[in-house]
Amino acid sequence: DQQVKQNSPSLSVQEGRISILNCDYTNSMFDYFLWYKKYPAEGPTFLISISSIKDKNEDGRFTVFLNKSAKHLSLHIVPSQPGDSAVYFCAASGGGADGLTFGKGTHLIIQP
Amino acid sequence: SQTIHQWPATLVQPVGSPLSLECTVEGTSNPNLYWYRQAAGRGLQLLFYSVGIGQISSEVPQNLSASRPQDRQFILSSKKLLLSDSGFYLCAWDVGTYYEQYFGPGTRLTVT
Repeated sequence: DQQVKQNSPSLSVQEGRISILNCDYTNSMFDYFLWYKKYPAEGPTFLISISSIKDKNEDGRFTVFLNKSAKHLSLHIVPSQPGDSAVYFCAASGGGADGLTFGKGTHLIIQP
Repeated sequence: SQTIHQWPATLVQPVGSPLSLECTVEGTSNPNLYWYRQAAGRGLQLLFYSVGIGQISSEVPQNLSASRPQDRQFILSSKKLLLSDSGFYLCAWDVGTYYEQYFGPGTRLTVT
């Protein structure tokens, strides 16, 4: 049973436009959500997070939106740049030291 | 600043051989430590986590084991590797307060 779902395996966006990556979750106990970026053969790097008490968090070109009623979050990247091409993982936590639950990732391709 | 090291970077092992992957963290004390695996076409699967020396929790029953002999050292082992153990192994740490986990560079394991 997949508790964190990223239904788009890949997404292609033109350079300079907005990239929107989506994530859905099923576990109501999740109270903290994170986005990670991963290049091939490297470990994921933390991008941005949001607590369940908020509905938006912004950091430079990256904004994460959380819709708790729909159990949905999204990552917006504006403007998209070539270096943004990577796999993006959505992750969720219910607190405690038992790790994060990850989605399968979305491969974002920024086209020139 | 904190850094996390993993070695080896790549490993090719025959079926039935033993395994030992090592992870060390610098610049922090008493971190929570995690082992994840990313198999081909799949997300990140939590294998083990540890909240302290000698304390190991397993998330997935398998032929792998983990140990934490020192505060900032985490080891992933197997007595006999299976083909299905192939994948990208990632070590991660956090301090349990802000939920963000920070990942090492990973080890690419190929079992032949």
